[in-house]
Amino acid sequence: DIQLTQSPSFLSASVGDRVTITCRASQGISSSFAWYQQKPGKAPKLLIYATSTLQSGVPSRFSGSGSGTEFTLTISSLQPEDFATYYCQQLNSYPLTFGGGTKVEIK
Amino acid sequence: EVQLVESGGGLVQPGGSLRLSCSTSGFIFSDHFMDWVRQAPGKGLEWVGRIKNKANSYSTEYAASVKGRFSISRDESKNSLYLQMNSLKTEDTAVYYCVRVLGSSLLDYWGQGTLVTVSS
Repeated sequence: DIQLTQSPSFLSASVGDRVTITCRASQGISSSFAWYQQKPGKAPKLLIYATSTLQSGVPSRFSGSGSGTEFTLTISSLQPEDFATYYCQQLNSYPLTFGGGTKVEIK
Repeated sequence: EVQLVESGGGLVQPGGSLRLSCSTSGFIFSDHFMDWVRQAPGKGLEWVGRIKNKANSYSTEYAASVKGRFSISRDESKNSLYLQMNSLKTEDTAVYYCVRVLGSSLLDYWGQGTLVTVSS
């Protein structure tokens, strides 16, 4: 199985900050990599798929990049509605796996 | 509008069984792979399994933690997805989400989830 190690697990930031979340895979994977945002009591929401493609309706301040074993999610200027938990996911091989999550809180 | 509505969750004793349903609308159900993803209270996301479409022989894939105990099926006539859970363990306690798959690599629509509690 491909293990995904997400860091940091917790992040405290201010509105307007640039935020980067990293996900490292235990083995090299293709571009089948996605990022989700989850707010308390709600289902996850797809933000980015195929490593860097923004899902329809997602603000352009979100971006994804990476290859091989390291992938990143960047929020260029954190907004109040972005405070949430973020998860990475690999869809390269079964079983599909998620990272442990990064909780982004207000500083 | 794409809608996924799970039902069937509840309290069950360890060793028991439960069947979750996911009623779908707003898209051509038969075209899509469908997944189940779960989330234990206060924990992260865990992929449970997938059922592919008719063109892919309705084949299934499962996480190791549920393989042999859980079974995914679908009924095209009812646009519905199912998760049969047998030999339930306390660690299966979670919110279970029904998820539409676009292509094979895009989990684009999620239901609101249904809570399964395994406890004596």
